[in-house]
Amino acid sequence: AQSVTQPDIHITVSEGASLELRCNYSYGATPYLFWYVQSPGQGLQLLLKYFSGDTLVQGIKGFEAEFKRSQSSFNLRKPSVHWSDAAEYFCAVGASGTYKYIFGTGTRLKVLA
Amino acid sequence: DAMVIQNPRYQVTQFGKPVTLSCSQTLNHNVMYWYQQKSSQAPKLLFHYYDKDFNNEADTPDNFQSRRPNTSFCFLDIRSPGLGDAAMYLCATSRLRTDGCGDFGPGTRLTVT
Repeated sequence: AQSVTQPDIHITVSEGASLELRCNYSYGATPYLFWYVQSPGQGLQLLLKYFSGDTLVQGIKGFEAEFKRSQSSFNLRKPSVHWSDAAEYFCAVGASGTYKYIFGTGTRLKVLA
Repeated sequence: DAMVIQNPRYQVTQFGKPVTLSCSQTLNHNVMYWYQQKSSQAPKLLFHYYDKDFNNEADTPDNFQSRRPNTSFCFLDIRSPGLGDAAMYLCATSRLRTDGCGDFGPGTRLTVT
């Protein structure tokens, strides 16, 4: 069965600093991988996704993520964080051939002014 | 704008009193999902529809049911809510498997008294 782990529950960065949020997955084949952001009391918004091709994917809001098969990772990055990026970030994995998507437990990002 | 709409945004029900949550979409997507998200936890997939085909997760309690009368609407029925069912309920849609849960509604926060 596929699973996804986000090792960092909380991360705090200063505004303008770079950001990397970690995501590790467990799945036999090449999974579909996603990053979502959730502001308090809101639904989730899709930031980016990977299912094949170029392993570096660009998303909205200046985010990017890199798929590394050898490390079973799909880490999210942003070169310069803005205060409005403070939110909870979820990594998700989908098994190819299904519509089932499993979410990690999330990383809560705090941005210091 | 095409979107996923959930009504109501906040629902209070009494212990054991049936409640129905509503989701509608103007995206004409084939797939609709219901997720349960408890405080500070990852969204947990309850079930999804591919068109009229219902797909229940193995660990979804029998207390939770769903209906999809047409492409646009999907309902979540909780037959006898318990205190443990208090959560945010998220509806999402997708068109292709590679889209993931691309479009989430804002969620309905359910309180059980």
